[in-house]
Amino acid sequence: SYVLTQPPSLSVAPGQTARVTCGGNNIGRKSVQWYQQKSGQAPVLVVYDDTDRPSGIPVRFSGSNSGNTATLTITGVEAGDEADYYCQVWDLNTDHVVFGGGTKLTVL
Amino acid sequence: EVQLWESGGGLAQPGGSLRLSCTASGFTFSSSAMSWVRQAPGKGLEWVSGISSSGDNIYYADSVKGRFTISRDNSKNTQYLQMTSLRAEDTAKYYCAKDKEDILGTIFPESWGRGMLVTVSS
Repeated sequence: SYVLTQPPSLSVAPGQTARVTCGGNNIGRKSVQWYQQKSGQAPVLVVYDDTDRPSGIPVRFSGSNSGNTATLTITGVEAGDEADYYCQVWDLNTDHVVFGGGTKLTVL
Repeated sequence: EVQLWESGGGLAQPGGSLRLSCTASGFTFSSSAMSWVRQAPGKGLEWVSGISSSGDNIYYADSVKGRFTISRDNSKNTQYLQMTSLRAEDTAKYYCAKDKEDILGTIFPESWGRGMLVTVSS
């Protein structure tokens, strides 16, 4: 089955740029989604189709995808961005939705 | 505004059964694929099952295949997850999700309900 690998944690100072990575075999050939999950809340879609943002998501959130790595970039990090972030793809071999293990973003 | 409301969770004994329901509003339910995703306490997201808009195509994670059954009633704007032969490792918050088709024609969860806790314990 297809595996997505994320770093467990990332710490960033306010105002800096956070880059959350998601590794997978030829992930650049897939469509990648990113979800933000704040403590005690349901996940929220922040990026879909590698680079698109749903309405209401700040432009500070952006995505890229190439080769074996997809990246969620959060510019000008704010305290309210502290959350777990998950990447997701569809595995064509198994017809399964696949999530990465999640990255806990801490704002220092 | 998309709204998804889960119900039917609670405590079940190992080997027991529960049925989750998810009632939807704010979009054309009969045109949307739907999913169930769960999250064990302190753990990450795990996709459980998905169903196409018509109900003709159904998918299950290996961890629940043969034990869980997904279904939907488009006349009631509701999807279901029948869970049988429950195990302690099925303990999790179960989220109902409205799916969207991505640029490649595959699907992903777009909007999520608040989730419903299922606890399997004797």
